[in-house]
Amino acid sequence: EIVMTQSPLSLPVTPGEPASISCRASQSLLHSNGHNYLDWYLQRPGQTPQLLIYLGSNRASGVPDRFSGSGAGTSFTLRIRRVEAEDVGVYYCVQTLQTWTFGQGTRVEIK
Amino acid sequence: EMQLVESGGGLVQPGGSLRLSCATSGFSFSSGWMHWVRQAPGKGLMGVSRINGDGSVTGYADSVKGRFTISRDNAKNTLFLHMDSLRVEDTAVYYCVRKMNTATWGQGTLVTVS
Repeated sequence: EIVMTQSPLSLPVTPGEPASISCRASQSLLHSNGHNYLDWYLQRPGQTPQLLIYLGSNRASGVPDRFSGSGAGTSFTLRIRRVEAEDVGVYYCVQTLQTWTFGQGTRVEIK
Repeated sequence: EMQLVESGGGLVQPGGSLRLSCATSGFSFSSGWMHWVRQAPGKGLMGVSRINGDGSVTGYADSVKGRFTISRDNAKNTLFLHMDSLRVEDTAVYYCVRKMNTATWGQGTLVTVS
């Protein structure tokens, strides 16, 4: 089973400032087709998770372009260019190469 | 509009069984992977199981392997999760998920093992 490790687990942010979350996998998520099987979700309080980024760096439909994903193999990063108040919640990375395994979650809150 | 509606949750004693269903509509159900994900109260997300479009390939989290069985009925556009030998730690909201370039989650069904 692939183990996903996120950092930090808590991230106080200032609106308008950038933020980033790291995610590491215990084995490579690079498929022979060239895609990295790593997604990012945001779960706002009381809601089901919303897909932000799929296959490492592709923004899902309707996701603002202030969100971006990067990385390959075992190391990935989600960046928010300028945090807005609506971005608070818990962010999860998830590997989709095998039966899904999620990181522990990063709680983003406004300072 | 894509819709996923879970049912079958409830209160069960340790060692008991439940079968969850996920009725779907609004997309080509048989054409892709489906997933079960759970979330224990106040905790993070955990992938439970997945199944490919024709049901020939399945996968399970280590913690449920040998106890849970995923299946699908493509004629009825329905996904199932049969859960045996339930444990207190299986208590969670169970979601079915369809993910392509977007992801659609059901509203979840609560399973309480106590």
